[in-house]
Amino acid sequence: LAKTTQPISMDSYEGQEVNITCSHNNIATNDYITWYQQFPSQGPRFIIQGYKTKVTNEVASLFIPADRKSSTLSLPRVSLSDTAVYYCLVGDHEVTGGGNKLTFGTGTQLKVEL
Amino acid sequence: DVKVTQSSRYLVKRTGEKVFLECVQDMDHENMFWYRQDPGLGLRLIYFSYDVKMKEKGDIPEGYSVSREKKERFSLILESASTNQTSMYLCASSLGEYDTGELFFGEGSRLTVL
Repeated sequence: LAKTTQPISMDSYEGQEVNITCSHNNIATNDYITWYQQFPSQGPRFIIQGYKTKVTNEVASLFIPADRKSSTLSLPRVSLSDTAVYYCLVGDHEVTGGGNKLTFGTGTQLKVEL
Repeated sequence: DVKVTQSSRYLVKRTGEKVFLECVQDMDHENMFWYRQDPGLGLRLIYFSYDVKMKEKGDIPEGYSVSREKKERFSLILESASTNQTSMYLCASSLGEYDTGELFFGEGSRLTVL
C-alpha cells in the first residue's frame, strides 16, 4: 500500500511560486500520482495528475523524478484564493476486479497572505 | 460535468439511531467511495465499491456498512450511530477499470451524533 507524506502546513505570499513536495517511497509500477485541492466545507477537487517527468496544465505543474519516490506540486504566482488543503494521492491497484483503493494522506494546509 | 450528489448536507441524530447517507452520481462511473474527514486526520476511506453489489473495506470500516443496488447509487449505513461517528462524510466516484485516480467528490454530509 503506497503511503504518502507531505508537510502539514506552508505559508506564502501573493504572487509567489509555491512548491509542495509529497513523498511516496512505496509507489508501485502502475500507480499514478494525483493532487487534489480542498476548500472548507467542500469536497476535494482534482488539480493535476502524472506518471513521470513533468506535467503542466492551466492551474499547476507536477514534477516527478525518475525514481518516482516523490513528487512536487508547483503553483505559480499564488493568490489568496489558493488558500486550501492540498492532498497528494497515489493510486493503489491492490484490489482485484479493477477497482482501486484510493487513500489520502493528511494533506498540506497552504495559507496565502497579502 | 460529473455530478455527485449527497442527499443531506447536515444531519443530527441520536446515539443508537440507524443512519443512511445516500450518494448518487450521474456519469455511469464504476467506482464509488465513502470517506470520512476529521480535523487533523485528513480523509480516511471507509468503504468502496467497484461494481453493483460489490464492496470492499477501506481503512476504517468498523461501525459502517454499505449498499450498492444500482450503479449510480452508493449508500453508507450506520447501524447504530455513536458519538465518535460525528464527522464530515464525503462520497466520491471514479471512472472504472482503467481508472488513473481522478475522483469526483460530492459536497459532503456533516453528521452530528448526540
